Amino acid sequence: EVQLVESGGGLVQPGGSLRLSCTASGFTFSDYSMNWVRQAPGKGLEWLSYITSSSGTIYYADSVQGRFHISRDNAKNSVYLQVSGLRAEDTAVYYCARVSPSRGYYYLDYWGQGTLITVSS
Amino acid sequence: EIVMTQSPATLSVSPGERATLSCRASQNVFSKVAWYQQKPGQAPRLLIYSASIRATGIPARFSGTGSGTEFTLTISSLQSEDFAVYYCQQYNNWPPITFGQGTRLEIK
Repeated sequence: EVQLVESGGGLVQPGGSLRLSCTASGFTFSDYSMNWVRQAPGKGLEWLSYITSSSGTIYYADSVQGRFHISRDNAKNSVYLQVSGLRAEDTAVYYCARVSPSRGYYYLDYWGQGTLITVSS
Repeated sequence: EIVMTQSPATLSVSPGERATLSCRASQNVFSKVAWYQQKPGQAPRLLIYSASIRATGIPARFSGTGSGTEFTLTISSLQSEDFAVYYCQQYNNWPPITFGQGTRLEIK
């Protein structure tokens, strides 16, 4: 069974930083590209970042470019999102999601349960 | 950036009836559209990809149609567990991957 488990969220002051982790199981993690997506309270889904299986290609949304940094450790079956320069508008549930295995088809076939970041003084 | 626009924002339907949700892309995305279901307090779940292919384990009452810029998700006979928020997503022209704003399907 495919499982993605996020951790690392919490309450942080404006300007602060956190490192989110997503640990995968039930599939060969090193074969898959991964994404981070967030959802502000009561709002829709916002894509944040993408990383290929080898970390060779990385993309960011304009809204987080320069503040967020995605990485992965295939030996630990984990993908990470370092978030810094946090603002109130970054308050959201952060999900990791697996990209489908089909080349050229970048839909998200499995999602974690999410971890909440609350930015407040 | 491709903008995905869903309509209506909220749809009220009685159990057992058919629900039709729409999604429009601001540019041609061919058939590279996925649909997700999200229940309160849960992560999104993939329902449909490539506009019309049901994901593993998704009941046959869910169907997707469309190509180009107009897409539809139909739930043929609503069950109580189907009342949720539904999102479309395009993956033809990215980054960024873009989602619609969601349609809330509620019990009438």
